[in-house]
This record gives sequence, C-alpha cells and structure tokens, in this order.
Amino acid sequence: DGGITQSPKYLFRKEGQNVTLSCEQNLNHDAMYWYRQDPGQGLRLIYYSQIVNDFQKGDIAEGYSVSREKKESFPLTVTSAQKNPTAFYLCASTPSQGMRNQPQHFGDGTRLSIL
Amino acid sequence: AQSVTQLGSHVSVSEGALVLLRCNYSSSVPPYLFWYVQYPNQGLQLLLKYTSAATLVKGINGFEAEFKKSETSFHLTKPSAHMSDAAEYFCAVSEAAGNKLTFGGGTRVLVKP
Repeated sequence: DGGITQSPKYLFRKEGQNVTLSCEQNLNHDAMYWYRQDPGQGLRLIYYSQIVNDFQKGDIAEGYSVSREKKESFPLTVTSAQKNPTAFYLCASTPSQGMRNQPQHFGDGTRLSIL
Repeated sequence: AQSVTQLGSHVSVSEGALVLLRCNYSSSVPPYLFWYVQYPNQGLQLLLKYTSAATLVKGINGFEAEFKKSETSFHLTKPSAHMSDAAEYFCAVSEAAGNKLTFGGGTRVLVKP
C-alpha cells in the first residue's frame, strides 16, 4: 500500500546537537509538508515543497532546515538554533501543487524530545 | 490570511449521545474546508472535506459536517457516539496558494460509557 513513512518514531536530542527526521512517500505526490504539533496549538507549518529542488518557509521555519533532492523524500533537520524542539513532527503530502481541494495525506509522526 | 477557531479544546460525551464539534473559519477566498481525526501517537486521517459542492458533507465513521457561509462555520456532528470516537479532531482551511492548510487548535473528545 502507498503511504508516508516517517522515521524514527521517537528521537532524542542532546543540547547543541542537530538531528534529522526522515519522511519518505511512495504516493508519487509532488508536494510535501512538515508540521510541528504542540498540545493545544494544532499544527503549525514549518516548511513545504511543491516540487523537487524547491521549498518555501512556513510559519515557524526558524531553527529548521529541509532539502528536496528526490520526489519521494523530504527530510527535516532540527538544528541547535531551535531552542524548544520538543514536539510531535508530522510530514504530509498532496498529489500536486496549487489544487486546494486535495486533502493532505499524513505520516504517523516523529516525537522529538530533549535529553 | 485564513484562520480557524475550534470552540472547546475538550468535549466529553456519553456513548450513544450526539457529538458536536464546532469550527469557525475566516478566509479571503472561497474556502475549502477539512476535518481530520488523530488517534494517540498517530498522524491525521481525513474525515471529510467541503469543496463547494453540497453544503452537507458526509464522511467516514458516520460523521458529517454542514457548511454555512453566513455563519462562516463548518461544524462536525455524529448522531451517536461510539467508544472508538475518542480522539482529537482538527478543522482546517486550505489557503489560496501552495495548497497549504491552516489548522484549528483541535478538540479532544472523550467518550464515557
């Protein structure tokens, strides 16, 4: 079955360390998204990519970086500049850019905690 | 800019009772609206979507939602709650560019036996 795979499911970061969260999709979708989820705040957009080799900042991009070298992969790096990284991170995708009626498909998330 | 407000961060219902989750939105363009459900430590699953066709939208698991333009609302209902409905529910509106979603803060539903 097609879907989005996020790994690892749980991740621990030491102070001053960068960590990378993986997101892979086999849905052949063009657009991919990263969200951060904190209790009571819903989901907030970190970065999104509408096509390979292109990505844009979302609402809370500071302290994060991404790459989109392959259509199926959209890894997120949480850098040491992100001072409050503890959260649940969700990756999503849609078939193509610009079609607002398309729902986003979500992975099962990665929970990041600070040691 | 779009925004979504979900009234009530927690809702408690008895098994078999009506479930009503409220969602109000603001949008500068005709809205496309979505309801998602999230079970603990999982991603979001689409319940239903409104895309300017019928104003009463039926989704999975017996849920439905009614789009009311005059009230800028898209409330989610289910006539009879089941224990398996215990989860967190998110309302979202699609922005004009980039197919980005703006989410409400979520409503956690507790179902009492």
